[in-house]
Amino acid sequence: DSGVTQTPKHLITATGQRVTLRCSPRSGDLSVYWYQQSLDQGLQFLIQYYNGEERAKGNILERFSAQQFPDLHSELNLSSLELGDSALYFCASSVAAASSYEQYFGPGTRLTVT
Amino acid sequence: GENVEQHPSTLSVQEGDSAVIKCTYSDSASNYFPWYKQELGKGPQLIIDIRSNVGEKKDQRIAVTLNKTAKHFSLHITETQPEDSAVYFCAASSIRLSMDSNYQLIWGAGTKLIIKP
Repeated sequence: DSGVTQTPKHLITATGQRVTLRCSPRSGDLSVYWYQQSLDQGLQFLIQYYNGEERAKGNILERFSAQQFPDLHSELNLSSLELGDSALYFCASSVAAASSYEQYFGPGTRLTVT
Repeated sequence: GENVEQHPSTLSVQEGDSAVIKCTYSDSASNYFPWYKQELGKGPQLIIDIRSNVGEKKDQRIAVTLNKTAKHFSLHITETQPEDSAVYFCAASSIRLSMDSNYQLIWGAGTKLIIKP
């Protein structure tokens, strides 16, 4: 158990809908990362927050947005969902902003868009 | 943009044999190179990492080597066991993605390691 929690574990929704994925980092970690992993694909970095502020942005679509709250939990919002958005979404946390610190991954949320 | 290439995409080895996974990176300023292991149904987990001031690092059956001149690094697993079956990801730090001077990780595409009994 990495100490990172993600809810929900599974999510099934229809095209055009909007969903929110939630992540709670490990106690003491200030940095949260979001990743997308499609079937048999690698990890696509979406976005990073550090202590409430956006830190780095990867290949995140404009339909997607995220935020980190004062209690350090983070939410990833996916809107106008398309079939191609079906994937595993991972949240990871680390103690600092820099990439040279270990990232602890949550169990992921499996999103299925029908 | 910055890129990390990982090979092979799938590797099948006999139990007890060694496995080697290789990665090349493009950003000559990269200075941190972690390897993560993702077991089925789980999130990735760091297994070993190396920094640019070190050429090799070993942890029991796992070792990583780094060649900064050639811009490549490799993961070596000796005496492979069934529990080594997983997807392995390499990554390299890169300054390009970051909004300031901090480095961010660029990930390889992953290698599916299959240990045959």
